[in-house]
Amino acid sequence: NAGVTQTPKFQVLKTGQSMTLQCAQDMNHNSMYWYRQDPGMGLRLIYYSASEGTTDKGEVPNGYNVSRLNKREFSLRLESAAPSQTSVYFCASSAFRDRGSGELFFGEGSRLTVL
Amino acid sequence: QKEVEQNSGPLSVPEGAIASLNCTYSDRGSQSFFWYRQYSGKSPELIMFIYSNGDKEDGRFTAQLNKASQYVSLLIRDSQPSDSATYLCAVISSGSARQLTFGSGTQLTVLP
Repeated sequence: NAGVTQTPKFQVLKTGQSMTLQCAQDMNHNSMYWYRQDPGMGLRLIYYSASEGTTDKGEVPNGYNVSRLNKREFSLRLESAAPSQTSVYFCASSAFRDRGSGELFFGEGSRLTVL
Repeated sequence: QKEVEQNSGPLSVPEGAIASLNCTYSDRGSQSFFWYRQYSGKSPELIMFIYSNGDKEDGRFTAQLNKASQYVSLLIRDSQPSDSATYLCAVISSGSARQLTFGSGTQLTVLP
């Protein structure tokens, strides 16, 4: 069972470069999420998609864009990377759409360094 | 004030002891509370959730919720070295579009 798959696992960028983090889930979940995790900061929500065709901003959306390509896939794009975006990024999915769900299934994470 | 607060630790306990992890939250309207475990270099995984005041037990883990005092705790009985990890408290707050808000986590080390 693959669960939630993220690519790439590691990436080094120079300031100003762009890149897209890919995420796919095979659990037929409605909701998908992108979090970033920084030391001492816990997990902070960047964007989420409650269902196919919808996306909403989370706590820290600036500098990011997302696309819910279909029910399975949710990508995160950095248009012009900045050193402040150096972080570990986690994609997650959950089954519930309307009432919210705390049971998230996470991918393995993508470690991004911006020089 | 952060919405969800945890002591960052590190918290060290000897093997076989009870580990007590605490979390406070600011939104009195919060309804759902979760504990995630995250091993170093790995992704978080859900270990407990609690919705009602009182205790909820699952094996060696007990979640405790006190809505009046706005805190939730996790007790780990008979702690094992394999319990060494960061424990993240998470809350669905009434004002956050029903999305999870995470605390910064408490690092637990169980000493053999």
